[in-house]
Formats: sequence, C-alpha cells, structure tokens
Amino acid sequence: QVQLQQSGPGLVKPSQTLSLTCTVSGGSINSGDHYWSWIRQSPGKGLEWIGYIYYSGNTYYNPSLKSRVTISIDTSQNQFSLKLSSVTASDTALYYCARDDYGGNSVNWGQGTLVIVSS
Amino acid sequence: DIQLTQSPSFLSASVGDRVTVSCRASQAISTYVAWYQQKPGRAPKLLIYSASTLQTGVPSRFSGSGSETEFTLTISSLQPEDSASYYCQQLNRYPFTFGGGTKVEIQ
Repeated sequence: QVQLQQSGPGLVKPSQTLSLTCTVSGGSINSGDHYWSWIRQSPGKGLEWIGYIYYSGNTYYNPSLKSRVTISIDTSQNQFSLKLSSVTASDTALYYCARDDYGGNSVNWGQGTLVIVSS
Repeated sequence: DIQLTQSPSFLSASVGDRVTVSCRASQAISTYVAWYQQKPGRAPKLLIYSASTLQTGVPSRFSGSGSETEFTLTISSLQPEDSASYYCQQLNRYPFTFGGGTKVEIQ
C-alpha cells in the first residue's frame, strides 16, 4: 500500500519561500505509471491544483502560480518537493501531496500540512 | 480555466435516501471528471474517475454519470458514514480545477 508522508514547516514569513517534502513509501517514485502532484485547500479558494512532476522531471504548473512554484523530484530518496516563493497571506492553506494515475486522478494523498503565512 | 459549479452547496438527507450532487462545467470536458469525498480533518478520497468508473474499494451505492458539461454523483442509499463534503474535478484541460464542493449532512 503506497503511503505519502509530508514534512515541512507550518509557519512561513511573508515574502519568504514555502518548502514542503513528500516521502513515498510502499512504491517507487520512479514508476512511469504515475504523476506526483501538489494540491492546496483554503477556505477562500477551495481546492486548488498547484502542479505535478513526472519521474523524468517533466513538470506542469498552474499558470496562476507558475512564476513562484518549483516542484522537484529526488528518486534516490523516493520523495518530491514543493517550493513556493514570495508567499503572502493568501498562500495560507492546507497543502497536500498526491500520487496521480496516468489520467491525473489523485489516488493516494498525503496527510496534509497546514501552512500559515504570518510574521 | 475551466470552471466547475456544484449544486447544491449543502444538503441534508436521511439515512436510506437517494442523494444527487450536480457538477456543471463551463465548457465541454468529455468524461474527464473525478469525484472525491472529504471528511473533516482528512485528505480527499477518490470515489469515481472518468465520470462513471468506481474506484476500487468504494461502495457500490456511489455512482457517477454525465458527459461534456453536466455530471452527477449519486448515492443510492445514504449511510451515516457518507456525511462528508464532495468535490468534482475536471482533468480534461490544464490547469485541473475543482468544484466548490457539496456538504452532505445526515438528518
């Protein structure tokens, strides 16, 4: 059974960079059958798809965040990461990592990390 | 971006009732729709993909239908454990987008 475990700080100062990591167990991140994505959820915006990465390193980002987002993958550690730069209060949200099937359906999810942007 | 409008935003029903949740897309998206269930404090759970295919392990009382711009999630006989929020997602065009959600309460 594939499990995704998220890690990273829950408090980030405005203008700084949010960094989260998702460690995959019970399966290889090198699998060509899946995409690895990040999704966030906030009371104001609901669920928002941030982007995904493929094991090859190919990425696709939501254009609304593209200028500030980087998703990377470390196959040796079986993990992938999210960086969101220049954060503001509007980036306060519950952040999830997920394993998507080839159709983009998010089949497995991390536990979620509440990130608050505040000084 | 493709907009998804769910209705109703809230519904209250009794155990055993048949419940339907609607999702309308701002443009045609074939059957590239997924439905998720989310309980408080938990991550969303995939229920249905490709508009009507039940994810492994999901009870058969859940079903999905529709195509192009109109989609429906149906719970044939509502159970107490179905109290949750439900979201549709379109996967036809980037960026993938979600509906605003429907909260289902058990009376």
